Amino acid sequence: AQKITQTQPGMFVQEKEAVTLDCTYDTSDQSYGLFWYKQPSSGEMIFLIYQGSYDEQNATEGRYSLNFQKARKSANLVISASQLGDSAMYFCAMRASGSARQLTFGSGTQLTVLP
Amino acid sequence: NAGVTQTPKFQVLKTGQSMTLQCAQDMNHEYMSWYRQDPGMGLRLIHYSVGAGITDQGEVPNGYNVSRSTTEDFPLRLLSAAPSQTSVYFCASSQNRATNYGYTFGSGTRLTVV
Repeated sequence: AQKITQTQPGMFVQEKEAVTLDCTYDTSDQSYGLFWYKQPSSGEMIFLIYQGSYDEQNATEGRYSLNFQKARKSANLVISASQLGDSAMYFCAMRASGSARQLTFGSGTQLTVLP
Repeated sequence: NAGVTQTPKFQVLKTGQSMTLQCAQDMNHEYMSWYRQDPGMGLRLIHYSVGAGITDQGEVPNGYNVSRSTTEDFPLRLLSAAPSQTSVYFCASSQNRATNYGYTFGSGTRLTVV
């Protein structure tokens, strides 16, 4: 079975500072993908960044980067230079063959950016 | 390109009523899924489909039915609504089975059962 754990129900960060959202995962599959989604208060699910299990480099997408530590089974999201618009719920998810190639989600982290 | 379209956006049902949540995608995606989102629990998989005519159960399938007669459409049926089914429902689709392909989500349906 696949499992995603996000241990931070809520986080606060000052505008313009960096913040790390934690994600650990559990799978016996060798090939899997890790995804981060953002859900603003409007409710839609917005894809942010992807990391493959065989990727040697950490993924980056603009101000988002993924700190991938395979041996520790962690895939933390780093947001640099936080903006007020980054306030949202953030979900870590995994897609692996062991879960019929469906997405398995963590419980989410509510990020609030303070002015 | 509309992506994934869900209707309705909001719905209030009485206990025991039935209804169908509609989902359509125009990207010719093979994989389609239904999730429900409850506070503190993330998104949980209800049912999924890997192609027309093929469906399977996810983590929380009880009380829901699905069918996939076309590639484009994947409706979710609530057979006899219960207050425990009050939730936000998301439909999502993915191009294929590759684990490096993510899912595109619809805008969600907020369902309240009274």
